[in-house]
Amino acid sequence: AQSVTQLDSHVSVSEGTPVLLRCNYSSSYSPSLFWYVQHPNKGLQLLLKYTSAATLVKGINGFEAEFKKSETSFHLTKPSAHMSDAAEYFCVVSDRTGRRALTFGSGTRLQVQP
Amino acid sequence: DTEVTQTPKHLVMGMTNKKSLKCEQHMGHRAMYWYKQKAKKPPELMFVYSYEKLSINESVPSRFSPECPNSSLLNLHLHALQPEDSALYLCASSQEWTNTGELFFGEGSRLTVL
Repeated sequence: AQSVTQLDSHVSVSEGTPVLLRCNYSSSYSPSLFWYVQHPNKGLQLLLKYTSAATLVKGINGFEAEFKKSETSFHLTKPSAHMSDAAEYFCVVSDRTGRRALTFGSGTRLQVQP
Repeated sequence: DTEVTQTPKHLVMGMTNKKSLKCEQHMGHRAMYWYKQKAKKPPELMFVYSYEKLSINESVPSRFSPECPNSSLLNLHLHALQPEDSALYLCASSQEWTNTGELFFGEGSRLTVL
């Protein structure tokens, strides 16, 4: 069985300051991990993915995430927040076996203050 | 063309109505998905079609009836819905039904059942 926990339901930062959105996962097998972003009244967009290559993954819009197997974490970071980053972020895990279904975290709402 | 197009964007229906949601993609993807998303929650998988065949039905009530007329189109037929079915319905596609998690989402159809 697989699961994913997003440790913060809401994060607020000031524009220009770093962003950290935390995600821990549980998987019986070597997982694939993803971050998706959802802007208000929009669909989801893939930010980045980890599929067992480099542990530091770079995504779109300056975001990156590091896969840490020992900590079962896949935290999302960005050095400098922009107003346009305000959105809902979902951490997603796939265990690459069985039903090939994705498991979504509960989401983290990022607020960016001017 | 990297878009998934969903129509209508908004739909209001009574509990006795019959309506349909439509989804279209022209990326040559062979897997298509319906997700349901309630406010402030992650998306929940409803159906997966792979090569135009229904591969996953997540125990969705029969008042929701999916249809995949061809590899580019996915419909969701709605009949005798309940107010609790009000939600954002998201269509997604991927190159294949694999566990890579690289889904392309439409912007969704927001359904209100009165």
